[in-house]
Amino acid sequence: AQSVTQLDSQVPVFEEAPVELRCNYSSSVSVYLFWYVQYPNQGLQLLLKYLSGSTLVKGINGFEAEFNKSQTSFHLRKPSVHISDTAEYFCAVTSTWGKLQFGAGTQVVVTP
Amino acid sequence: GAGVSQSPRYKVAKRGQDVALRCDPISGHVSLFWYQQALGQGPEFLTYFQNEAQLDKSGLPSDRFFAERPEGSVSTLKIQRTQQEDSAVYLCASSLDESNTEAFFGQGTRLTVV
Repeated sequence: AQSVTQLDSQVPVFEEAPVELRCNYSSSVSVYLFWYVQYPNQGLQLLLKYLSGSTLVKGINGFEAEFNKSQTSFHLRKPSVHISDTAEYFCAVTSTWGKLQFGAGTQVVVTP
Repeated sequence: GAGVSQSPRYKVAKRGQDVALRCDPISGHVSLFWYQQALGQGPEFLTYFQNEAQLDKSGLPSDRFFAERPEGSVSTLKIQRTQQEDSAVYLCASSLDESNTEAFFGQGTRLTVV
């Protein structure tokens, strides 16, 4: 069985400030890890994914994440946020054929 | 099409009614998933198709839920005798092949049962 914990339900941040969204997972087998973004009334858009190789993964819109196997974490970061980054962010894990287990989400609110 | 298309975008059903939600995956995509997203929650897996075969339906919450993909492209999620707890956004996702390392999501259907 797997589980995903997003440690913050909401993260307020000022425009041009850095942001970090925390994600921890538990699994007894190797996993693939994902971050998705969801804008209001929209579906999910893939930001980045870790399948294997380098533990630092770069994604779209300036986001990056680091896979830490010893700490079972996959935290998402952006050095400077924009107003348009206001959205819900979901961490997800899969160890099988693509059935995703999602966290509860982190709402990012960017203010001027 | 260019992306995953779901219809209707919004559906209001009276308790006890049957509903059918449609998903048009990206053309040529082998895999198709359905997820249920309750308000304020992350999506929860419902079922998975590889072409027309339903390989996993372990997430369907009750026997009122039924999904099909008869020709390996369009899929329909049917909910019989809807209950208030069925109110949620239903998301469809498709993936190019069996590795499923990238799923593309539709905009979802928001179902409200009154």
